This record gives sequence, structure tokens and C-alpha cells, in this order.
Amino acid sequence: AQSVSQHNHHVILSEAASLELGCNYSYGGTVNLFWYVQYPGQHLQLLLKYFSGDPLVKGIKGFEAEFIKSKFSFNLRKPSVQWSDTAEYFCAVIPDNQGGKLIFGQGTELSVKP
Amino acid sequence: DAGITQSPRHKVTETGTPVTLRCHQTENHRYMYWYRQDPGHGLRLIHYSYGVKDTDKGEVSDGYSVSRSKTEDFLLTLESATSSQTSVYFCAISESGQNNEKLFFGSGTQLSVL
Repeated sequence: AQSVSQHNHHVILSEAASLELGCNYSYGGTVNLFWYVQYPGQHLQLLLKYFSGDPLVKGIKGFEAEFIKSKFSFNLRKPSVQWSDTAEYFCAVIPDNQGGKLIFGQGTELSVKP
Repeated sequence: DAGITQSPRHKVTETGTPVTLRCHQTENHRYMYWYRQDPGHGLRLIHYSYGVKDTDKGEVSDGYSVSRSKTEDFLLTLESATSSQTSVYFCAISESGQNNEKLFFGSGTQLSVL
């Protein structure tokens, strides 16, 4: 079965530190890839997405992600985090033959210390 | 915010009782999803629908059934609730199943099974 793995369960950083959150998926075909963020007490929001083209995609709030097909990875990065980035981050995948079946990773909780 | 409403927002029930959660949308979107969110597991897909009377199972469908008799409503039923079904349940809607550029989440239903 298709799955999405996020390696880091909880990440703690100081402000201005760089961030990289890992995401790997287990599907050999074409996929659409997403990163979502959930701030405390709020809904999920889309950070960025990859469908095709340039494998380095930029999203909102200074986030970016790189799709590496050979590694089945879609890691999220930010050069300098802020306290307001404290949230839970979810990687998600839609395999191309699954009719819209959106599969999430287990999430990474990011805590940024001021 | 997208017109998506989940009801009830909170429910406490006893083991063995049936429970139905409702997701109502006013966006006329084709795709609707039910997820449960649990610490350490992220969002796991229970069932999804790609049209009226068209539904399919997700990763954790055991113990759950769904129905979609009209575009705007997607019902999730726990035939006989168990304590392991204590969770936060999120409904999501999308106009396009593959692209999910506009995937909207409801506010969630906190279900406690005692």
C-alpha cells in the first residue's frame, strides 16, 4: 500500500535556525506532492505543492521543498525559522491512479524557541 | 473560508453505540474526504467520495461506513463505537481530486468513546 513517512516526529529549533523536514513516499508512479501546516487550534493550510516541472517549489511564508524522484523524497526547508512557524507540518501525496486519494504522513511537530 | 460545516463539533458516547458525523458543503465540490487525526499518526484517510454514491475506502476504513446521497452531504457512521475510535475527525472537500489546489478542511469533530 502507498504510504508517506515523515522521519522527524518532533523538531525543536531556536529562532533563525535553518529547517529541513524529511518526507518520503512509497509509490513508483507519478505523484502530486503537498506540504500542509496546522497551527495550534487551526485547520490545515496548504504551504506548497508539486505537480510537475521545476522540482524546487516555493510556497508561502518563505518555505520551499525539493522533489527528488530518485529518492522518492519531498523535503521541506526554510532558511531561517521564526517563533510563528511553531506548528505541525504534514506531507501528503496523491498517486496518479488513485482518483484523488490524498494520503498524509504522520506529521512533524515543530517548536521554535524565541 | 470555504462553506464546509461539520456536525456535531463535540460528541461523547458510549462503547457499542452507533454514531453518525455529518459533513456539509455549499461549494458543490465533487470530492469529499473523512480523516481521523491522532497524535503520532497524522491524518489517516478513512473513506472518500468522488461523486454522489461513489465512495471508496481509505487506510483505516474498518469499523466505519459512509454515505453520499447528495453532493453537499457526506456522512460518516460508526456502527458500534469503540474506544479506539476516540479521535478528532476532519472532513475535507476538493473540486479537483488530482490537483487539490483548493482542498478545504472542516473545523473537526472531537469524538470521545467511553
